Amino acid sequence: DTGVSQNPRHKITKRGQNVTFRCDPISEHNRLYWYRQTLGQGPEFLTYFQNEAQLEKSRLLSDRFSAERPKGSFSTLEIQRTEQGDSAMYLCASSPGTVQPQHFGDGTRLSIL
Amino acid sequence: GIQVEQSPPDLILQEGANSTLRCNFSDSVNNLQWFHQNPWGQLINLFYIPSGTKQNGRLSATTVATERYSLLYISSSQTTDSGVYFCAVRVDYKLSFGAGTTVTVRA
Repeated sequence: DTGVSQNPRHKITKRGQNVTFRCDPISEHNRLYWYRQTLGQGPEFLTYFQNEAQLEKSRLLSDRFSAERPKGSFSTLEIQRTEQGDSAMYLCASSPGTVQPQHFGDGTRLSIL
Repeated sequence: GIQVEQSPPDLILQEGANSTLRCNFSDSVNNLQWFHQNPWGQLINLFYIPSGTKQNGRLSATTVATERYSLLYISSSQTTDSGVYFCAVRVDYKLSFGAGTTVTVRA
């Protein structure tokens, strides 16, 4: 059990640029989740995958956001045309099933200049 | 959606002191997790506790699901206990987090 891995740990970019984050879940965890955490707040749910199927997207995810999990293993979260309000910590979690606890990665901290 | 309220919002402790953090939630939940977020932003699982009491070293937690609250106890606090403690409840598959309790332990 090597834990949930997220890359990069930090990303600084200019407003208007596209960014992509990667999440590698714990092996054999077929549930994968993305959350976003802004300063001083708890994480908020963004989206959920069961294997390669994306089963729910929060209304927090505008059309500029897209997430994929092509082979049911790693996942990517892409933000197009970044805005100042996208600055946050993006957290990925995985679990072997919906009744088991979710385990979180160390997150990707995004800063928009 | 479900509401999760944590209290107190901030807590300052002298090293060695004991404390209790509270989490109230507004509806029935499938389970509840407590996390510690350290100063580097890492979210560490503390407890998975849909009901009952669990202990792990100096930490223990109790969830009374029928009354919709959970408590986290920190005993003999250490400076390494500093950080933000989050309660998160699961409805279906997604976690809903409270705003957290920021704990500062002074030497």
